[in-house]
Parts: sequence; C-alpha cells; structure tokens
Amino acid sequence: QVQLQESGPGLVKPSETLSLICTVSGVSMKNFYWSWIRQPPGKGLEWIGYITDNGGTNYNPSLSGRLIISVDASKNHLSLRLTSVTAADTAIYYCVRHVVLGYADWFDPWGQGTQVTVSS
Amino acid sequence: DIQMTQSPTSLSASIGDRVTVTCRSSQNIRHYLNWYQHKVGEAPKLLIHFVSTLQSGVNSRFNGSGAGTDFTLTISSLQRQDFATYYCQQAFSTPYTFGQGTKLDIK
Repeated sequence: QVQLQESGPGLVKPSETLSLICTVSGVSMKNFYWSWIRQPPGKGLEWIGYITDNGGTNYNPSLSGRLIISVDASKNHLSLRLTSVTAADTAIYYCVRHVVLGYADWFDPWGQGTQVTVSS
Repeated sequence: DIQMTQSPTSLSASIGDRVTVTCRSSQNIRHYLNWYQHKVGEAPKLLIHFVSTLQSGVNSRFNGSGAGTDFTLTISSLQRQDFATYYCQQAFSTPYTFGQGTKLDIK
C-alpha cells in the first residue's frame, strides 16, 4: 500500500524559503511521477508542479522561478523548495503520486497534507 | 490556464438521494477529467479518472460522464460516508487545474 507523509516547519517568515519533505513508502519512487498540490485557506486546490521518473520537472508558471521539486530515491523522499515566500503561500501542502498512463494522468494517492503558515 | 467551474458549490441532500455535480472547462479537454473526494481531516481521494473510469475500491454508486467541456459526477443513493467535498480536475494540459469544489452535506 502506497503511503505518503509530508513534513515541514509549519511556520515560515516572509521572504524566507519553505522546504518540505514527503516520505514515500510502499513503492519505489523511481517508477512514477510525483506532484505537489496546495490549498490556501478557504480556496481551491492548486497544482504546484511535478517531477518525472527520470528527474524532469514541470512547474506551475505562477510559481516558476521560486520553486524546485526534487527526489532522493535512496531515501524515498520527495522535496519541495519555495523561495521568497509571502502570505499568499500560506496553505495546506499535499504530496501526491502522479500516475501517468498513456496520455491520461491523475493524482493517487495523496498524503494527509501539512499546514504551512507564512507570518512574521 | 484552463478554468474549471463546478456547480453547485454547495448541495444539501438526504441519505438515499441521487445527486449530480457538474463541471465545465473553459476549453475542450476531451476526456482528460478526474474527480476527487475530500473529507475534512483526511487525504483527498481519487474517485474517477478519464471521465468515467472508477478507481479500484470505489463504490459503483459513483458515476462519471461527459466529454469536451461538460462533465458530471453522479452519486446514486447517497450514503452517510459520501458527505464530503468533491473536486474535478483537468489533466489535458499543464498547469493542471481544479474546480472550486462542491460541498455535499446532509439535509
């Protein structure tokens, strides 16, 4: 059974860098794509970006330039690094396995999510 | 970006009811439409991918249909565990985008 668990600081100061880790169990990370998705308070879900099974990345243009997604398959870790954060980056952050089958793709499963608040 | 619009945004229904949630995309996304269920305090869960393919383990009460720009999620005979928020998501092109959600609660 694939399980994902996000971890992170909870509180980040404006202009600083947000770093999150997702620990994956039950599957080899090497065979899949992996995405990050977030949900600001009172708002809908926003796809942040994905990393492919060969290390390629695709980021939401709204965040591109501030964002790095990486995988350390030896540790079963998916990472997110978002620089120069503002209050608009306050959200619940989810890591998800990004399943690709032919031209179709979907997110399954999801982690429980980790709350990140940007505040001084 | 492709805009996804769900309706209604909230819905009250009774156990045993049949409910329909609509999702409309701002451009043709063919069949690249997924549905998720999200309960408070839990991880969101994939229900349906590619418009109508039920995820393994998902009850057949859930049905998806549509193509192009108009899609529906139908839940027949609502059960207590179905009360949650439902999101559609287009997988036609990046950035992937979601509908704003439909919150289904007990009448």
